[in-house]
Amino acid sequence: EIMMTQSPATLSVSPGERATLSCRASQSLSNNLAWYQLKRGQAPRLLIYGASTRATGIPARFSGSGSGTEFTLTISSLQSEDLAVYSCQQYETWPPTFGQGTKVEIK
Amino acid sequence: QVQLQESGPGLVKPSQTLSLTCTVSGASISSGSYFWSWLRQPAGKALEYIGRVYTSGSTNSNPSLRSRVTVSIDTSKNHFSLKLTSVTAADTAVYYCARKVDGQGWFDSWGQGILVTVSS
Repeated sequence: EIMMTQSPATLSVSPGERATLSCRASQSLSNNLAWYQLKRGQAPRLLIYGASTRATGIPARFSGSGSGTEFTLTISSLQSEDLAVYSCQQYETWPPTFGQGTKVEIK
Repeated sequence: QVQLQESGPGLVKPSQTLSLTCTVSGASISSGSYFWSWLRQPAGKALEYIGRVYTSGSTNSNPSLRSRVTVSIDTSKNHFSLKLTSVTAADTAVYYCARKVDGQGWFDSWGQGILVTVSS
């Protein structure tokens, strides 16, 4: 089973600033990685798949990059509604596995 | 747009069976090529994949839980279900249902989740 490690655990960012979240895999994923936004009481939201492709309706301020074992989710200009936990998921091998998440706080 | 909604008891006693249902609206659960899936997230931990049922009714589940998991589909009610037997406190989590397109690896639609606590 592939282990996913996210850092940092918590990220405090001022509105309008850039947020950079990292996700590392225990083995190569090629580009088989997705990112999700989780808010309490709401359905998780798919942001990115294929490491860098934005899902339908996702604002352009969200971007994904990386391949192999190192991946990054960038929020170019943080908005107040982006307060959430962000989780990465690998689908290179079955079963799919997730990172523990990065909590984004508004500074 | 497809919507998913979990339902079931929020409290289950140890050693009993956890039973949840996911009702799908906005689409027929029997059409298309989808895997209807269950995942969970214990407090402070990562999301964990539990199992899935295909549109055809075939199922698969995470080896770590396989002996305790049953996932089934009821096309007449447009819902699918999860049963997890012999629960312990370690099964306390927010349980989510989600949809995955056949041939893709990500989950494109999710329910809002339901907290299930295992306690006497």
